[in-house]
Amino acid sequence: DAGVIQSPRHEVTEMGQEVTLRCKPISGHDYLFWYRQTMMRGLELLIYFNNNVPIDDSGMPEDRFSAKMPNASFSTLKIQPSEPRDSAVYFCASSLGGGTGELFFGEGSRLTVL
Amino acid sequence: AQSVTQLDSHVSVSEGTPVLLRCNYSSSYSPSLFWYVQHPNKGLQLLLKYTSAATLVKGINGFEAEFKKSETSFHLTKPSAHMSDAAEYFCVVRGLNNAGNMLTFGGGTRLMVKP
Repeated sequence: DAGVIQSPRHEVTEMGQEVTLRCKPISGHDYLFWYRQTMMRGLELLIYFNNNVPIDDSGMPEDRFSAKMPNASFSTLKIQPSEPRDSAVYFCASSLGGGTGELFFGEGSRLTVL
Repeated sequence: AQSVTQLDSHVSVSEGTPVLLRCNYSSSYSPSLFWYVQHPNKGLQLLLKYTSAATLVKGINGFEAEFKKSETSFHLTKPSAHMSDAAEYFCVVRGLNNAGNMLTFGGGTRLMVKP
């Protein structure tokens, strides 16, 4: 299996632009998580899905952030409009089953908003 | 409530000496516990996991951790550090509550290995 695949790996954009980050989870996994990592705040859970349905989006910073999972093999995290404080590494992770299964992480998408 | 505390934000050891990274947790439910490692500019990689089987868990790269329920601890150890072990390490608790799935990360411990 190829693991969790994220794209793009690096994104540099200007303030006010729309940013879309993409994630392909491991085939057969039914949980998908989006995390943000910064030096100041560490790892933060933004949102997670179970069977393509958003379960907890309480970590999404504000309305500028939205996430979708149209099918079991694809998810997007969108920021519109982007701001410099959104600069971070965004990780996608997937797992099989809830409760006690380990998460498998992608390599991350490093976002820089100028 | 569920929480994870990694007691040291930075640990520095010399190559060839033992490594101890400390983790304490609290959980109202029987949790699963994990240690992840993150090398610079990389994603998080699973080192080992505890899921209520043997309390001493062996992981990759010579790491192991012992689940001690009485102390609510899950410390990560390695007998002899290697330069390639320099990375950030995260202790993670995952469990279920009435609301469903709960997953909590510790703040991370940065391990530095001196030659």
